[in-house]
Amino acid sequence: DIQMTQSPSSLSASVGDRVTITCRASQSISSYLNWYQHKSGKAPKLLIYAASTLQSGVPSRFGGSGSGTDFTLTIYSLEPEDFATYYCQQSYSTPLTFGPGTKVDIK
Amino acid sequence: EEQLVESGGGLVQPGRSLRLSCATSGFTFGDYAMSWFRQAPGKGLEWVAFIRSKEFGGTPEYAASVKGRFTISRDDSKRIAFLQMNSLKTEDTALYYCSTGEVTNWFDPWGQGTLVTVSS
Repeated sequence: DIQMTQSPSSLSASVGDRVTITCRASQSISSYLNWYQHKSGKAPKLLIYAASTLQSGVPSRFGGSGSGTDFTLTIYSLEPEDFATYYCQQSYSTPLTFGPGTKVDIK
Repeated sequence: EEQLVESGGGLVQPGRSLRLSCATSGFTFGDYAMSWFRQAPGKGLEWVAFIRSKEFGGTPEYAASVKGRFTISRDDSKRIAFLQMNSLKTEDTALYYCSTGEVTNWFDPWGQGTLVTVSS
């Protein structure tokens, strides 16, 4: 199974801050990496697919990069609605696996 | 607008069964693989199962934790995906979500989830 790790596990930031979350796969997954935003009690939301492609309707302040084993999600300027938990997920092979999540809260 | 609505959750005793449904609208259901995920209390997201579209054989794949106990199926005429859950364990307690997609894909959109509680 491919193990996914994320760092940090949580962070505190202010509106307007630039936030970077990293995700690492235990083996190469090419660009089969997706990022989701999840707010408690709501449906998870796809932000980035194939490592760097912004999902339609997602604001351009979100960006993704990386390939192989190391990936990054960047929020270029944090907005109040961005406080949530962010998950990376590999779709290279089954079992499909998620990172443990990064909780972004208000400083 | 694409929509997915899960139903069928509830409180059930260990060892019993439950069937979840995922009703969909707004997209050509038969063209897509369908997936189930879950989130246990205080935990992260976990993939449970997916079923491919008929074009790709309609075959299922399962997480090891549910293989042999859960069965995913689909009714393309009714645009519904199902998750039959047998021999439920307390560790199956979670909010269950459905979405479109499978391996090499991404998962979007997601439903709001249906809560399954396994407890005596």
